[in-house]
Amino acid sequence: NAGVTQTPKFRVLKTGQSMTLLCAQDMNHEYMYWYRQDPGMGLRLIHYSVGEGTTAKGEVPDGYNVSRLKKQNFLLGLESAAPSQTSVYFCASRTLPGQGANEQFFGPGTRLTVL
Amino acid sequence: AQSVTQPDIHITVSEGASLELRCNYSYGATPYLFWYVQSPGQGLQLLLKYFSGDTLVQGIKGFEAEFKRSQSSFNLRKPSVHWSDAAEYFCAVGAVSGNTPLVFGKGTRLSVIA
Repeated sequence: NAGVTQTPKFRVLKTGQSMTLLCAQDMNHEYMYWYRQDPGMGLRLIHYSVGEGTTAKGEVPDGYNVSRLKKQNFLLGLESAAPSQTSVYFCASRTLPGQGANEQFFGPGTRLTVL
Repeated sequence: AQSVTQPDIHITVSEGASLELRCNYSYGATPYLFWYVQSPGQGLQLLLKYFSGDTLVQGIKGFEAEFKRSQSSFNLRKPSVHWSDAAEYFCAVGAVSGNTPLVFGKGTRLSVIA
């Protein structure tokens, strides 16, 4: 099992450019999450999904969009990148409650810099 | 509202010394509790978790944590710290049922000195 993988690992954008971050999990998990991590701020939830075709807003959704067209993939889009979106982005997945271990499994992160 | 507080932003301990990282939570329902560790440049790895039963839980790398319902705390401990334990540690709380995402604390950075 690869677990949770994220593509790309690093990216530099110019202000106004767009990009999509891909998260993939091979554990057949229902729930998937996107977080951003900034110094002193901990992990902040951007968007999440409780199943294929469903998404919901988290704590800091502005400037981001997501899609969950396939159960194993969760995409995070930046339509018009801003310097404030410079961060490390983490994807996570989790199985349904009552199906054993219920922790979130994290990907290795994507470091994004917006100039 | 659910919340997790890790009062210590940064802790420095000597190698071989004992360690306790504090975590306090506020949660209306029966909670799941977790501790994660993040080494520099890495993702988060689960150290241990509490669902029910014995309030003292053992995790990987020699860590343990004790759930104290009366104090709404889930402190992480290790009797003898190794230099490789230097990392950031996150406490998280979640619901036993439902699909509410985990709520994370802001983390405690641990430095280990010789």
